[in-house]
Amino acid sequence: GAGVSQSPSNKVTEKGKDVELRCDPISGHTALYWYRQSLGQGLEFLIYFQGNSAPDKSGLPSDRFSAERTGGSVSTLTIQRTQQEDSAVYLCASSLVAGDMYEQYFGPGTRLTVT
Amino acid sequence: AQSVTQLDSQVPVFEEAPVELRCNYSSSVSVYLFWYVQYPNQGLQLLLKYLSGSTLVESINGFEAEFNKSQTSFHLRKPSVHISDTAEYFCAVSDQSSNTGKLIFGQGTTLQVKP
Repeated sequence: GAGVSQSPSNKVTEKGKDVELRCDPISGHTALYWYRQSLGQGLEFLIYFQGNSAPDKSGLPSDRFSAERTGGSVSTLTIQRTQQEDSAVYLCASSLVAGDMYEQYFGPGTRLTVT
Repeated sequence: AQSVTQLDSQVPVFEEAPVELRCNYSSSVSVYLFWYVQYPNQGLQLLLKYLSGSTLVESINGFEAEFNKSQTSFHLRKPSVHISDTAEYFCAVSDQSSNTGKLIFGQGTTLQVKP
């Protein structure tokens, strides 16, 4: 079956512009996670959604970052007024349910470059 | 808060030699432990995990890891590596009490298997 998909695969943007990154989780998975993989910081948790519950935003690095999940499926991560330090690979993962017993399946990532 | 330290950023090894990738964690609460692998040009995949029970866990492709609570370690080992094991390996923990699946990753170790 189809895995987690992310779009675009690559995004180059100018400093100060807003960007939107999209994640399509595996059908039927209620939990969705966003992570960021950057040279200086390694792999960092950003935010996660479980069903219709309020998301856990504890990993978002600043208020320029936000995410939403519409209809319990597709998620969009938005970065406003991008900065060069936002350059990274943004990974999305989904699991059947939020919890450590359930494997997270990762998408291929979106490589964001801020010039 | 939890943190994960992978002591080696790169590990070069010859084919059929044994390898150990080191992982130590710091946490004020009990954690679950994971190893993820990222093959070249592929997404992150779960390699193995420790949730409870036997402290020695194995993967289907010959890797094993042992949870050592006293040393707060979860080192990954393989007695004989193949060229195809060349990849980046990430150690991760999650907080047992929250059971959200939220992962805290180490910086990663690049395993380079040489012929």
